[in-house]
Amino acid sequence: DQQVKQNSPSLSVQEGRISILNCDYTNSMFDYFLWYKKYPAEGPTFLISISSIKDKNEDGRFTVFLNKSAKHLSLHIVPSQPGDSAVYFCAARYKGGSEKLVFGKGTKLTVNP
Amino acid sequence: NAGVMQNPRHLVRRRGQEARLRCSPMKGHSHVYWYRQLPEEGLKFMVYLQKENIIDESGMPKERFSAEFPKEGPSILRIQQVVRGDSAAYFCASSPLLAGARSNRQFFGPGTRLTVL
Repeated sequence: DQQVKQNSPSLSVQEGRISILNCDYTNSMFDYFLWYKKYPAEGPTFLISISSIKDKNEDGRFTVFLNKSAKHLSLHIVPSQPGDSAVYFCAARYKGGSEKLVFGKGTKLTVNP
Repeated sequence: NAGVMQNPRHLVRRRGQEARLRCSPMKGHSHVYWYRQLPEEGLKFMVYLQKENIIDESGMPKERFSAEFPKEGPSILRIQQVVRGDSAAYFCASSPLLAGARSNRQFFGPGTRLTVL
């Protein structure tokens, strides 16, 4: 049973436009949500996170929005750059106890010049 | 400040052999996690360790897999009698121990790609 879902396997946008990556979750026991970026043959790189008590967090070109009632979060990248082309993973951390992260399957973003 | 180190980067084993994957966390980090990624899948949690202690091994297969994080040296993920289904990328992550707070960020190594022939 997938607790973190990224329903779009891929997304293609033009350079300079906005990229919106979506993520849904089913478990209310998550206290942090994180986005990781991954290039082929490399490990995931942390991008941005948001606490479950917030609804928005911004860092430069990256903004994460959290809608707790809908159990939905999204990552906005503005403006998109060709170097942003990678696989983006949404991850959630359990509240209390174990620090483990639960990952979605990822969305492959392609930013075209 | 070096990041999380994993070796080897690529490992080829025949069915029935043993695989040993090593992970050195970032300097100052005392928490280590192991994740496995199958093709076209997300990362799946396996085990969470602190120095000399296994904190959560709920994601570890019951047989053939073991992990340790000794007082000195790297963390080791050991897979005995490997089978073709063990072929995957294995990622190690580390996080610091923050006084009075829990870190919400894990830093990942480059992974070890295990191929079982």
